[in-house]
Amino acid sequence: EAGVAQSPRYKIIEKRQSVAFWCNPISGHATLYWYQQILGQGPKLLIQFQNNGVVDDSQLPKDRFSAERLKGVDSTLKIQPAKLEDSAVYLCASSVEDRGKAFFGQGTRLTVV
Amino acid sequence: GNSVTQMEGPVTLSEEAFLTINCTYTATGYPSLFWYVQYPGEGLQLLLKATKADDKGSNKGFEATYRKETTSFHLEKGSVQVSDSAVYFCALNPLGVFGKGTRLSVIA
Repeated sequence: EAGVAQSPRYKIIEKRQSVAFWCNPISGHATLYWYQQILGQGPKLLIQFQNNGVVDDSQLPKDRFSAERLKGVDSTLKIQPAKLEDSAVYLCASSVEDRGKAFFGQGTRLTVV
Repeated sequence: GNSVTQMEGPVTLSEEAFLTINCTYTATGYPSLFWYVQYPGEGLQLLLKATKADDKGSNKGFEATYRKETTSFHLEKGSVQVSDSAVYFCALNPLGVFGKGTRLSVIA
C-alpha cells in the first residue's frame, strides 16, 4: 500500500517568511498527526486530526502555526512568520484510529536562516 | 497529561550483548504503547506495540511487555547486531506522545 506522502522534502527560508507543508495520509486513515522533531529530540505532537476535526492542538504555537485538513484527507501545515527556532523536521503520520499504530512520512526538513 | 520517560543515551554495546532500554509512562485511562525505531537516514517506523496490560509486543528479536502496575514498557533484545544501531523511541496513544529517544550503537 502507498505510504504517507509529504512535500516538499527540504525547504530553506529566511526568518519572517512563510512556508507551507503538505501531507497525504494513507487512504482510509481517519487520524492524522503533525509532529515537529528538532535535531536530537523526540517528535513533539503539534496537532492531531480525527477526520477533519481537531482532537488536540495544545502544543501548536497558534500565533504563527496553522493547520487544516479539508474533507478529512490531505492536510497542510503553515508557519507564518517563521523563526530561527522553527528549524526542524516536520513529520506527518496517519493511523486508522487514534489508538492504532501510526505510519510516518519521510518528513520535511525546514531550515530557517 | 500523558507523558513518556525513557532512558537517555547514547547506549553503546558490543555485538551479541543484551539490550534493555527503559521506558515509563504517565497516562489517564488505558493507552496503547509503542516502540518506534529510526535507522540512520530513514523515517520513523513502528517496531512493536502492546494495547493492554500484560500484552507482549515482539518483532525482529525485540520484546516489550506492557506493565500497568509499574507503568513501564521496557524494550529488550537478547543479542544485538550491528544492524540494530538506530534511535529508539517509546510512545503512547492516544495523543501521540513520544519519549526523547535513545541512540543505540552496536560495535562489532
